[in-house]
Amino acid sequence: GENVEQHPSTLSVQEGDSAVIKCTYSDSASNYFPWYKQELGKGPQLIIDIRSNVGEKKDQRIAVTLNKTAKHFSLHITETQPEDSAVYFCAASKDGYGGATNKLIFGTGTLLAVQP
Amino acid sequence: GAVVSQHPSRVICKSGTSVKIECRSLDFQATTMFWYRQFPKQSLMLMATSNEGSKATYEQGVEKDKFLINHASLTLSTLTVTSAHPEDSSFYICSARAGGGSSYNEQFFGPGTRLTVL
Repeated sequence: GENVEQHPSTLSVQEGDSAVIKCTYSDSASNYFPWYKQELGKGPQLIIDIRSNVGEKKDQRIAVTLNKTAKHFSLHITETQPEDSAVYFCAASKDGYGGATNKLIFGTGTLLAVQP
Repeated sequence: GAVVSQHPSRVICKSGTSVKIECRSLDFQATTMFWYRQFPKQSLMLMATSNEGSKATYEQGVEKDKFLINHASLTLSTLTVTSAHPEDSSFYICSARAGGGSSYNEQFFGPGTRLTVL
């Protein structure tokens, strides 16, 4: 089955610096890659996602890149702020049109700490 | 839009009792709902997938008789932890997904329920 690895497990940056979190997946048929931010005691919130027909997607300070050949995808946060501090999870799944129920397989998470 | 609620947000119960957790999609119809369990400092582990009106599909290692899932309508799914024991203490999170369209696979997560079994 699908396996998603995520690195690093913890990341500490200074406010204003950039942060990069990387994930690799094993199932070449995966074609949907969301990123979630989870604050302590809360559910995950989708912050950005990318589908396999796109190599890069950007939303203000957040961007995601996808390399299908290498089966890598990465989250980039620029101009980090203290409120960006949280646990970030990547995930992968196979888009299932036609009624298929496709599961999200989560990475192990990255604890991002943005130091003021 | 795309809000998912869970109730209760936290519950403490005695060992041997049953606990029901509700998951509701507030502003969309969820053809599929998912239940996850998350232990401290760990990732989300999928427990089961439920489609409205049909039996839930459980992941390997999850006891279907212990974790009862009902998806009676397009906006409500419930998870009942039966005969709870301290090892069932965890953070339970549901997610909901609408069907069709360009966001077919996007899941919207609830805020989670903290279960503590004494």
